[in-house]
Amino acid sequence: EAGVAQSPRYKIIEKRQSVAFWCNPISGHATLYWYQQILGQGPKLLIQFQNNGVVDDSQLPKDRFSAERLKGVDSTLKIQPAKLEDSAVYLCASSSQGQEETQYFGPGTRLLVL
Amino acid sequence: GENVEQHPSTLSVQEGDSAVIKCTYSDSASNYFPWYKQELGKRPQLIIDIRSNVGEKKDQRIAVTLNKTAKHFSLHITETQPEDSAVYFCAAIGNNDMRFGAGTRLTVKP
Repeated sequence: EAGVAQSPRYKIIEKRQSVAFWCNPISGHATLYWYQQILGQGPKLLIQFQNNGVVDDSQLPKDRFSAERLKGVDSTLKIQPAKLEDSAVYLCASSSQGQEETQYFGPGTRLLVL
Repeated sequence: GENVEQHPSTLSVQEGDSAVIKCTYSDSASNYFPWYKQELGKRPQLIIDIRSNVGEKKDQRIAVTLNKTAKHFSLHITETQPEDSAVYFCAAIGNNDMRFGAGTRLTVKP
C-alpha cells in the first residue's frame, strides 16, 4: 500500500511571497488533514477534510492560508503572503474515516521563510 | 477547546530501563488517545492507541494506561533500547477536536 505523498519536500521563500504544498493521501482514505509543526512542538491541526468538504478549519489563519480538496482525493495548501513565523514543517495525514481512526502521515514539507 | 499537556519534555534513560511519559487533557468529550513516535527528520508514526472504554492496552514492550476520571493517560516503554530514542507525542481526540501534546524527547543511552 502506497503511503501519503507530499511535495515539495523542502521550500525556501522570502517573506511576502506565496507558496503551495501538495498532498496525495492513501488511496480510499476519506479524511485528509494538514498540520503545521513548528520546531520543538507537536503538530497543530490546520484543516481537516472529509472527502471534499471541510470538517474543521478553526485553527487555519484564513487571512493568509487556504486549502482545497476539490475532487476529494489530493489536496493543496497555500500560504499567501508568507510570514517569517510560517517557517515550519507542513504535514499531511490521512485516515480511512474520521479522527478516531489511525492517521498516516506523509514525509512533510519543510518551509523556511527568510 | 481541548488542551493537552505532556510531561516530561525530555527524558534520558539507560538501556534496559523503563520510560514513562504522561499526558493530561481537558475536554471530557475526548475518547481516543493515540501515541506517535517521530524520529529526527521523519514523519510521526502511530505506535499505540487507546479508546475511552479501555483502561490499559499493551503491545510487546509498549503499554498505554488511561484514567478518564482524572483525564490523564500515560505511555510506558519497558526494556528500552537505543532505537527507542525519538520524540513521542500524545494526542487527545473527540467531538471533532484534536490536539497534540508538545512532545517528549526520549534518549536511551547504550
